[in-house]
Amino acid sequence: AQTVTQSQPEMSVQEAETVTLSCTYDTSESNYYLFWYKQPPSRQMILVIRQEAYKQQNATENRFSVNFQKAAKSFSLKISDSQLGDTAMYFCAFTNSGGSNYKLTFGKGTLLTVNP
Amino acid sequence: DTEVTQTPKHLVMGMTNKKSLKCEQHMGHRAMYWYKQKAKKPPELMFVYSYEKLSINESVPSRFSPECPNSSLLNLHLHALQPEDSALYLCASSQRTSGDFSSYNEQFFGPGTRLTVL
Repeated sequence: AQTVTQSQPEMSVQEAETVTLSCTYDTSESNYYLFWYKQPPSRQMILVIRQEAYKQQNATENRFSVNFQKAAKSFSLKISDSQLGDTAMYFCAFTNSGGSNYKLTFGKGTLLTVNP
Repeated sequence: DTEVTQTPKHLVMGMTNKKSLKCEQHMGHRAMYWYKQKAKKPPELMFVYSYEKLSINESVPSRFSPECPNSSLLNLHLHALQPEDSALYLCASSQRTSGDFSSYNEQFFGPGTRLTVL
């Protein structure tokens, strides 16, 4: 079974600074997809960034980038130039690329607070 | 239209009530999902519908009854709930179902229904 571990229950950062959220996972699959989802307080869960395991290049979406280390099974999220609107719960998630790719396995989440 | 909508936004019900939650998407997605989420916890998968047929039931109590009338709609019927069922209920959809090896199968989430059982 796949597992996703987020070791930082809470983090805080000053506005305009950079913060990195950690995620490790365990799987025996060779190809799979990884995601970071953001859920602001009382608001909708949205996809921040995604990575396909066979792609070596790290995904980037504006201020958000990942450091994907397949051998180490690590998938950290870097947020540059943090903004107050980045305050949210961040979930790392995993899904297979094969027959059961409907099922997302989530980490427990990291609550990020951006301070003014 | 890349939106998943859910109604109602909030629902308060007694343990003897019967109510329904509704979810709708118009993205042409063929898989739809119900999740239960407690505060500051990740979503827990309840049901998966694939091409309007129930494909996954994660051992959810029978007081929760899903229904998929068509490819755009997903309902969750509630009956005789317990206070511990109070939670945020999230609906999601994705373009493809299991067996597709070529896509991220990203799930799009609705805003959720905040359910309180008294």
